This record gives sequence, structure tokens and C-alpha cells, in this order.
Amino acid sequence: GESVGLHLPTLSVQEGDNSIINCAYSNSASDYFIWYKQESGKGPQFIIDIRSNMDKRQGQRVTVLLNKTVKHLSLQIAATQPGDSAVYFCAEGGGSNYKLTFGKGTLLTVNP
Amino acid sequence: NAGVTQTPKFRVLKTGQSMTLLCAQDMNHEYMYWYRQDPGMGLRLIHYSVGEGTTAKGEVPDGYNVSRLKKQNFLLGLESAAPSQTSVYFCASSIQLNTEAFFGQGTRLTVV
Repeated sequence: GESVGLHLPTLSVQEGDNSIINCAYSNSASDYFIWYKQESGKGPQFIIDIRSNMDKRQGQRVTVLLNKTVKHLSLQIAATQPGDSAVYFCAEGGGSNYKLTFGKGTLLTVNP
Repeated sequence: NAGVTQTPKFRVLKTGQSMTLLCAQDMNHEYMYWYRQDPGMGLRLIHYSVGEGTTAKGEVPDGYNVSRLKKQNFLLGLESAAPSQTSVYFCASSIQLNTEAFFGQGTRLTVV
């Protein structure tokens, strides 16, 4: 079946380093992709999204890259801070999907 | 602006009991969703609604019912709770399908 997955379930980085979180998707009809951050005990919080007519989108300290050829999505966080420690989810939607399908999440730990 | 509000935040039920989870949004969003989140499973869609008076099944609808009598409210009901329904439940809303969804803070439900 169609699925959204992550290459790395956990990622540990030093404060100030750049972080890259990866995600693979299998539904070639998906045309909308989104990253969420979830801190412990809280609901998911929107970080950044991208549509399939783009291959890169930048926000504040974050960049999302989309490679449709290999069905790969990544989230780059520049100058990672302790406050970035959380679980990060990618999700896909669009095409025949009337809803967002979420991956299982990557736990990012930032060491001071 | 409260966004998406869920009540209660915590609840313990005995097997066979019933309860209703309440979700309210003040953003005038048409679309509302109920997800459950289990360890290692990511977010799975239970039911969703594309507007007042409408509901539809998601990925894991069995054992749950929903109602959307008012645009701002989306109720999730458990008719006869089972231990397998122990989970964290999140409500979300969005202005359109396949756009940013705003999440509530979650309801932690334990069925014993």
C-alpha cells in the first residue's frame, strides 16, 4: 500500500550544527507535503510545507527539499538549538488522497 | 485566538464504558479531523468532516462514531471502550483539504 516513511527514527546532533531529517513517500500522485514538529505532551505544530511544483522552499532556519524523481523529502534545520528537540513528522496529501498520511516520526535530540 | 481546543485532556475509562471527546475550533475551518497516535505508529486518521453535517471514515474508524452538528465542533464518541483504544487522540482542522492542519493539544485516554 501507499506509505510515508522515515529513514532515521532518531537523530542526535550538537547545538549549532545543521540537522537533516529524511522522509520517503511512495504515492506518486501526492502533490502536497508538510512537516510537523511535536514536542512532548503537545500536539503537532506546522513547520513548513511544499507543493509538487516546487523542489525547494525556505522558511526561518528551515528548508524543505523535494525530489520527485526518487520520491524523497527532507527537512533541513540550520544552527540547531535545544528548543528544536522534538519528534518531526512528514506527511503527504493530494492526488487521490483526500487526507494527509503521516510518517512514523523522527526523534531529534539536540545536545548542548 | 484559541485555535483548536480539545476536552478533556486526560481520561480513564473502564472497558465497556462510553464517552465523547469534544473538539472546538474558532478559525471558521470547513475541514476537521480526528487522529489517534500510538507509539511507533504515527498519526492515523479515524474520521473526518468536510463541513457541517458531514462525516466520513478515515483509516481506523472501527469502534468510533463522530458528529459535526455545528461547523466549529467535531465530536468523537466511543460507544463501548476497549483497551485497544488506549491512545492519545488529536483533533485538527484546516481551511481546505491538503493544506496546513492545526492540531489541538490532545486527549490522553486510558481504557482499563
